[in-house]
Amino acid sequence: DIQMTQSPSSLSASVGDRVTITCRASQSIYSNLNWYQQKPGKAPKLLIYAASSLQSGVPSRFSGSGSGTDFTLTIRSLQPEDCATYYCQQSYSTPLTFGGGTKVEIK
Amino acid sequence: EVQLVESGGGLIQPGGSLRLSCAASGFTVSSSYMNWVRQAPGKGLEWVSVIYSGGNTYYPDSVKGRFTISRDTSKNTLYLQMNSLRAEDTAMYYCARDSSSYYNFDYWGQGTLVTVSS
Repeated sequence: DIQMTQSPSSLSASVGDRVTITCRASQSIYSNLNWYQQKPGKAPKLLIYAASSLQSGVPSRFSGSGSGTDFTLTIRSLQPEDCATYYCQQSYSTPLTFGGGTKVEIK
Repeated sequence: EVQLVESGGGLIQPGGSLRLSCAASGFTVSSSYMNWVRQAPGKGLEWVSVIYSGGNTYYPDSVKGRFTISRDTSKNTLYLQMNSLRAEDTAMYYCARDSSSYYNFDYWGQGTLVTVSS
């Protein structure tokens, strides 16, 4: 199984800050990496697919990059509504696996 | 509008069985890869199963042999039959659609909670 490791596990930033979350795969997954946002009590929401493609309706301040084993989710200018937990997920092979999550809070 | 509505969760004793349902609207279940993903209380996400548009299924080792994913085309509904339930199966269970067939989930239901406890 492919292991997905996210860092940090939590972070606190100010409104307007640039926030970066990293995700590392235990083997190359090429560009088969997705990012989700989950708010408390809600289902996850797809933000980024195929490492860097923005899902329809997602604000452009979200972006993804990377390939192979190392990936990044960037929030260009953090907004209060971005408080959530973010998960990466590899879509290269089954069993599909998720990272452990990164909780983003507003300072 | 695409909608997924899960039902069937509840409190069940260890070793028991439960069947979850996911009623879909706004698209055809049999035309998409349909998945179940679970989340234990306070924990991360774990993928549980997929049924491909062609009907093949796949499970991770954690549920293989105990869980069965299926669909009813006439009802446009997805199911998850869960047998031999264990305490570690306690979680919120979400159904999720993969419309691209590239294993990314663009629509999710609201979830149904399964609690396995005596």
